[in-house]
Amino acid sequence: DQQVKQNSPSLSVQEGRISILNCDYTNSMFDYFLWYKKYPAEGPTFLISISSIKDKNEDGRFTVFLNKSAKHLSLHIVPSQPGDSAVYFCAALREWGSNYKLTFGKGTLLTVNP
Amino acid sequence: DTGVSQDPRHKITKRGQNVTFRCDPISEHNRLYWYRQTLGQGPEFLTYFQNEAQLEKSRLLSDRFSAERPKGSFSTLEIQRTEQGDSAMYLCASSPQSGGDQPQHFGDGTRLSIL
Repeated sequence: DQQVKQNSPSLSVQEGRISILNCDYTNSMFDYFLWYKKYPAEGPTFLISISSIKDKNEDGRFTVFLNKSAKHLSLHIVPSQPGDSAVYFCAALREWGSNYKLTFGKGTLLTVNP
Repeated sequence: DTGVSQDPRHKITKRGQNVTFRCDPISEHNRLYWYRQTLGQGPEFLTYFQNEAQLEKSRLLSDRFSAERPKGSFSTLEIQRTEQGDSAMYLCASSPQSGGDQPQHFGDGTRLSIL
């Protein structure tokens, strides 16, 4: 059972336009949601997170929106740049005990075309 | 700024051999995690340390896998009698003591290939 789902394996956008990456989850007990970016041959790099008690968090060109009723979150990148081309992973964690293990989606490959 | 360091970056071995990977977390982080990532999948949790104590192991971690974190600093992950299905990227991550709002920082992983 996949608790975090990224249903789009890939997304292609033009430079300067908005990139919207989507993520759905099934476990309503998750407390935080995170986005990681991964380049080939490198480990995932933390991008932005949001608490389950918020509906929006913004950091520069990156904004994450959370819709708890729909169990859906999205990452908006505006404007998109060629250097944003990478695999983006949505991840969730539950603050239960002291193990804050991450549950990841399968990732979405974003390609930003110049 | 030293991040999470993993060694080796690549390991190729024959089926049935034992392998050991090392992870050096960010120095002030007392939580350390191991994940495994296979092609087309996101990372999957394997095990977790708080300081030197191994507090949780995933069902993915068969009895051929063992992890240690002596003295609460670096960690090792050993796989005994490797099998084809063990081929994957093994990722280590660390985070500070405080709550879930402190993101985990990942190393660049060890890619294991079983011949």
